[in-house]
Amino acid sequence: RKEVEQDPGPFNVPEGATVAFNCTYSNSASQSFFWYRQDCRKEPKLLMSVYSSGNEDGRFTAQLNRASQYISLLIRDSKLSDSATYLCVVRVPAGGTSYGKLTFGQGTILTVHP
Amino acid sequence: GAVVSQHPSRVICKSGTSVKIECRSLDFQATTMFWYRQFPKQSLMLMATSNEGSKATYEQGVEKDKFLINHASLTLSTLTVTSAHPEDSSFYICSARDFDSTNSYEQYFGPGTRLTVT
Repeated sequence: RKEVEQDPGPFNVPEGATVAFNCTYSNSASQSFFWYRQDCRKEPKLLMSVYSSGNEDGRFTAQLNRASQYISLLIRDSKLSDSATYLCVVRVPAGGTSYGKLTFGQGTILTVHP
Repeated sequence: GAVVSQHPSRVICKSGTSVKIECRSLDFQATTMFWYRQFPKQSLMLMATSNEGSKATYEQGVEKDKFLINHASLTLSTLTVTSAHPEDSSFYICSARDFDSTNSYEQYFGPGTRLTVT
């Protein structure tokens, strides 16, 4: 089983649509949770951290359910510029270090069309 | 925000040659740097974690003699792909942690290096 699994996608939605991505993780000792955005042939960029209480940043809302080991991202009022691959990322313990390491999901491709 | 640079941005080399990729933290000190590899249509896979002044820790399945990592200073880490083969063609991305940041858990990613081995 993969450590971080995401919706396979791809998602093709019209401008203005609301789209939701889901993600599950297998390591119950996971420490931190994030959504990253990656544009084609570019490095990933942090979109937002995800907290148990849920958090919102403009049109983006992220939720974390530790009991179900489930993370979600909701994008409202989609824009053309939201087209990208969205990566679910989890920081897991590793090798006796306090920091651990980031583990990436395979990503979900979103295409927003006019 | 903190900036991480990589050089070169893309490189084409012949099979059997070695390629060195540099990763620099431009405006902060990075005690820890990470090297990732991303194959087409796949996600980032951690190859190794390097700490300044000590040996890198490699992930399972990554050959340490083939992927040489040197983290000689707090602002520079290098990855050398030795005796490269076509299957090593990939997008290599480095990342660094800011030692002095109040949020020292945040990682900053470099722009990546696209390696093509012919």
